[in-house]
Amino acid sequence: QSALTQPASVSGSPGQSITFSCTGTSSDVGDYNSVSWFQQHPGKAPKLLIYDVSNRPSGVSNRFSGSKSGNTASLTISGLQAEDEADYYCSSYSSSSVRGVVFGGGTRLTVL
Amino acid sequence: QITLKESGPTLVKPTQTLTLTCTFSGFSLNTSGVGVGWIRQPPGKALEWLALIYWDDDERYSPSLKSRLTITKDTSKNQVVLTMTNIDPVDTATYYCAHRRRYCSSPAFDCWGQGTLVTVSS
Repeated sequence: QSALTQPASVSGSPGQSITFSCTGTSSDVGDYNSVSWFQQHPGKAPKLLIYDVSNRPSGVSNRFSGSKSGNTASLTISGLQAEDEADYYCSSYSSSSVRGVVFGGGTRLTVL
Repeated sequence: QITLKESGPTLVKPTQTLTLTCTFSGFSLNTSGVGVGWIRQPPGKALEWLALIYWDDDERYSPSLKSRLTITKDTSKNQVVLTMTNIDPVDTATYYCAHRRRYCSSPAFDCWGQGTLVTVSS
């Protein structure tokens, strides 16, 4: 199974909205609601932001939202804040590998 | 409150077998829908999923590492153990265990351990 494809880096200014993409195949991202998103600050463990494409766990800001179209999932952060500067990873189950898990390569967000 | 903590050696020699233990609290691996996964992250690199075990003993492995990995659970001790054989310097990474949220369609690892850095060197 191949890693999901994410842009290496994105940047934005405080207050802006920014969208991350995550591209896979019909066997993973395109398969049902099989996408999660994680935020990771340097030296810290990842944090679940979005599961099942668009659901937020309790405690996650509603500035974070998820969506999907075909084999591409998206994470949008609205009202960008300095504390949002981190790495963002998408993840999916892969039906091509007996429901294993695959991660994207991650996107580094820089808040200008 | 769910907590997880990884433990194991910090330094391993090439060709040895690595054994990592995830000790958790706040949930039971006897509960329907629950899963615990292992994910690693080489220094400066991306997350890589390794293995996942479910409440019903279902085990899933990364296809590229399947021949080297074994995941087991001990529900009486609230532990999940990952063994990796024939260790190589490329296996140097921070290893995380994580709780998988119940009944989700996606790999919703909602609670993570702090991670343990394993260095492979002779």
